[in-house]
Amino acid sequence: SQTIHQWPATLVQPVGSPLSLECTVEGTSNPNLYWYRQAAGRGLQLLFYSVGIGQISSEVPQNLSASRPQDRQFILSSKKLLLSDSGFYLCAWSALLPGQGLNYGYTFGSGTRLTVV
Amino acid sequence: KQEVTQIPAALSVPEGENLVLNCSFTDSAIYNLQWFRQDPGKGLTSLLLIQSSQREQTSGRLNASLDKSSGRSTLYIAASQPGDSATYLCAAHTGGFKTIFGAGTRLFVKA
Repeated sequence: SQTIHQWPATLVQPVGSPLSLECTVEGTSNPNLYWYRQAAGRGLQLLFYSVGIGQISSEVPQNLSASRPQDRQFILSSKKLLLSDSGFYLCAWSALLPGQGLNYGYTFGSGTRLTVV
Repeated sequence: KQEVTQIPAALSVPEGENLVLNCSFTDSAIYNLQWFRQDPGKGLTSLLLIQSSQREQTSGRLNASLDKSSGRSTLYIAASQPGDSATYLCAAHTGGFKTIFGAGTRLFVKA
């Protein structure tokens, strides 16, 4: 069965410090990978998605970047964190067939609570 | 532009009650709609996925329906239990990599 791992679970970082959040998927190949941010009481905001190694699409201009060095690995990074980067970050994967939408829906990781101080 | 609304934002019910959570979307051209459960500080757990060609899906005490023409989906929870207390989110997939999530309904089931 497919599983998704995301770490760390919580992180407290000072303003201006770098960030690296990692997500890995097991039990599937060539997944579509996503990074979302969730603000309290609001819906999820798509930050980045990737359809393959080295292929990253950004949805929101921001202080963050993403990379996909391996098929089942997705990394969210920042060179210098801002206070506004605080939030709950979620990694997800899906299987997507072009023209057919999502067949199996999204599977999410357990999330990372980032607090920038 | 697709918008997804969940009403109410919060709901408190006594244990054993049957309840309905609502999800409305503005663009009926969706591929599927997915319901999730989120416990505090945790990730989203998928409950049910309804493809656009389906009318409903069932899993245990949960039943989700989809009416594309009216832009509505409902999640029915039978015989609610305190363990059902969580935030429930719906998500409408409109093609490509666009999925719009509702803000969720926070459910509290009182013992």
